[in-house]
Amino acid sequence: GENVEQHPSTLSVQEGDSAVIKCTYSDSASNYFPWYKQELGKRPQLIIDIRSNVGEKKDQRIAVTLNKTAKHFSLHITETQPEDSAVYFCAAGLSDYKLSFGAGTTVTVRA
Amino acid sequence: GAVVSQHPSWVICKSGTSVKIECRSLDFQATTMFWYRQFPKQSLMLMATSNEGSKATYEQGVEKDKFLINHASLTLSTLTVTSAHPEDSSFYICSAREKGNGYTFGSGTRLTVV
Repeated sequence: GENVEQHPSTLSVQEGDSAVIKCTYSDSASNYFPWYKQELGKRPQLIIDIRSNVGEKKDQRIAVTLNKTAKHFSLHITETQPEDSAVYFCAAGLSDYKLSFGAGTTVTVRA
Repeated sequence: GAVVSQHPSWVICKSGTSVKIECRSLDFQATTMFWYRQFPKQSLMLMATSNEGSKATYEQGVEKDKFLINHASLTLSTLTVTSAHPEDSSFYICSAREKGNGYTFGSGTRLTVV
């Protein structure tokens, strides 16, 4: 099955700086790569996703890049704000099928 | 956007009793729903895939007789933790996908077995 590794496990950044989280996956058949943000005690919220026919996608301060050859994808958050503090999960899988999640990255934005 | 409702949000039960958790897709039909378990400060571990009108598909290591899943309609899946024990205490969360959109999670259920 799919195995997703995520790094780093914790990330502390100064407000206004950028944050980058990287994930690798094992199954070359995976074609859907979402990123979720989870605040303490709450449900994961989809923040951005990318499909295998696209190399990069951007939504305001958030961007995701995908390298299918190397089987890795990354989340970039620019101009970080305190409200960006949360746990971020990457995931990989086939559309309409189950997702495998990374272990999560706890992001802390220092004011 | 797609909305997934999960109830209850928290439950405390005595050891040996059973607990049922409901997951509903409110504004779309979901032929497939997923059940996850999440321990504190850990990732989401897929327990099983719930298929409408057929048996659930369980992940390796998940006891199907302990975690009963029923997906009797296109908008409702239930997870029943049978004969619950303290080690079953965890955060259980479901997800569903509306075609053309990403996976949406329920609000989760915090189960505490005493």
